[in-house]
Amino acid sequence: AQKVTQAQTEISVVEKEDVTLDCVYETRDTTYYLFWYKQPPSGELVFLIRRNSFDEQNEISGRYSWNFQKSTSSFNFTITASQVVDSAVYFCALSEGGSEKLVFGKGTKLTVNP
Amino acid sequence: GAGVSQSPRYKVAKRGQDVALRCDPISGHVSLFWYQQALGQGPEFLTYFQNEAQLDKSGLPSDRFFAERPEGSVSTLKIQRTQQEDSAVYLCASTPALRYEQYFGPGTRLTVT
Repeated sequence: AQKVTQAQTEISVVEKEDVTLDCVYETRDTTYYLFWYKQPPSGELVFLIRRNSFDEQNEISGRYSWNFQKSTSSFNFTITASQVVDSAVYFCALSEGGSEKLVFGKGTKLTVNP
Repeated sequence: GAGVSQSPRYKVAKRGQDVALRCDPISGHVSLFWYQQALGQGPEFLTYFQNEAQLDKSGLPSDRFFAERPEGSVSTLKIQRTQQEDSAVYLCASTPALRYEQYFGPGTRLTVT
C-alpha cells in the first residue's frame, strides 16, 4: 500500500533562515511519481514540483530545492532564505504507476516570522 | 486562462439534506479528480474521471456519495442524507493528460449541522 509520511507537523522559523521539510514515502511499485504542493491560507493547493521514480536528480528552482533519495525513500524540500510569503501548509504526495490518484501526507505547517 | 472553479464556495446543510457540489475544470483537461480534506489533514482521494468515464471511485466513503461528469467537462459531486462527518473541504482537480500535475480549485467548504 502506498503511504506518505510528513513527520513535521509544524515548523516556525525567522525570515531568511533556511528550512527543510521532510517527506518519506512507501510504495511497492517501481514506477511512481512524487509531488509537492503548497496550500496558503487562502486554501487553494498550488503545484510546486513533480518527480518520477527514474529521475533522482536534485532540482533547484529559485529559493526552492528538492532532494530525492530512493535509497531512503525520501523526497525532501528545502526553502533557502525563507520569506514571510512562504508561510503555508506544504503537502508531499505520491502517485503509483498504475493509478492516477494522489496520496497525500498530512502536511507540514510552515510559519515564517518577520 | 481560467483555473479550476468550484461552486458554491461554502455550503451549510442540515443533517439529512442532500447537497450538490459543482466543479468546472480547466478547458480541455481530460482528467478530473475529487478529494476530501478534513480540517488539519491532507486531501484524500474520492473519485476520478477520464472524460466522462468514472475510472476509479474507490475513495467514495459510502453509497451516499455519487459523482458524475456526463459530458466530459463539468462534474458534480452529490452527497445524499448528509451526516456531520461529511463536514470537510471538497477539492476538485483537473489535469490535461495522464501523469501531469493536478491543478486544484479553491474547494467547497461543507458544514453539516
